Amino acid sequence: DVKVTQSSRYLVKRTGEKVFLECVQDMDHENMFWYRQDPGLGLRLIYFSYDVKMKEKGDIPEGYSVSREKKERFSLILESASTNQTSMYLCASSSSPHMGYTFGSGTRLTVV
Amino acid sequence: EDQVTQSPEALRLQEGESSSLNCSYTVSGLRGLFWYRQDPGKGPEFLFTLYSAGEEKEKERLKATLTKKESFLHITAPKPEDSATYLCAVPGRDGNKLVFGAGTILRVKS
Repeated sequence: DVKVTQSSRYLVKRTGEKVFLECVQDMDHENMFWYRQDPGLGLRLIYFSYDVKMKEKGDIPEGYSVSREKKERFSLILESASTNQTSMYLCASSSSPHMGYTFGSGTRLTVV
Repeated sequence: EDQVTQSPEALRLQEGESSSLNCSYTVSGLRGLFWYRQDPGKGPEFLFTLYSAGEEKEKERLKATLTKKESFLHITAPKPEDSATYLCAVPGRDGNKLVFGAGTILRVKS
């Protein structure tokens, strides 16, 4: 079964910490995405990547960066975590948007 | 601007009470419409893909249909385990990523 694996289900971090969220897919997909999901706001795209070492800003990139050094791995970085970054973070991958996405199980991040 | 609108925002049903969820979109030249189910605290799980008007897909108590401007997710005789958030999405005009609706929260009470 194809899989997108997010390294942590739950994380609690302190304000100002640098936070790394890791996502690995085993489907050889070119495209990978990071979303955050908040009640009433739906899924909001943070960053996406079409290929190794490529990245594109999504709708809400401020306060985040990403890294894609290998095809299967896409990391989301919170340079200095803030309480308004408390959220559910979802990683997804696809071979093409016309084929839909496969999502990971999500990381619930709490910044205190 | 590409838009996907889902209605209602929330739906409460009694077990066995059939109903439908709606997903309307403004993207022209549709290249697929996707339905996902999301349980609380988990990532969305793929349900259906529809590619052309008139197409229908079924899975257990769920049936998805597609017209030129909208899709319906029909739920027949729902059970409490059908309770979840249902999301729909279409490829955006730029073709690079999916545009998601805000979802419909379904609660089925026994």
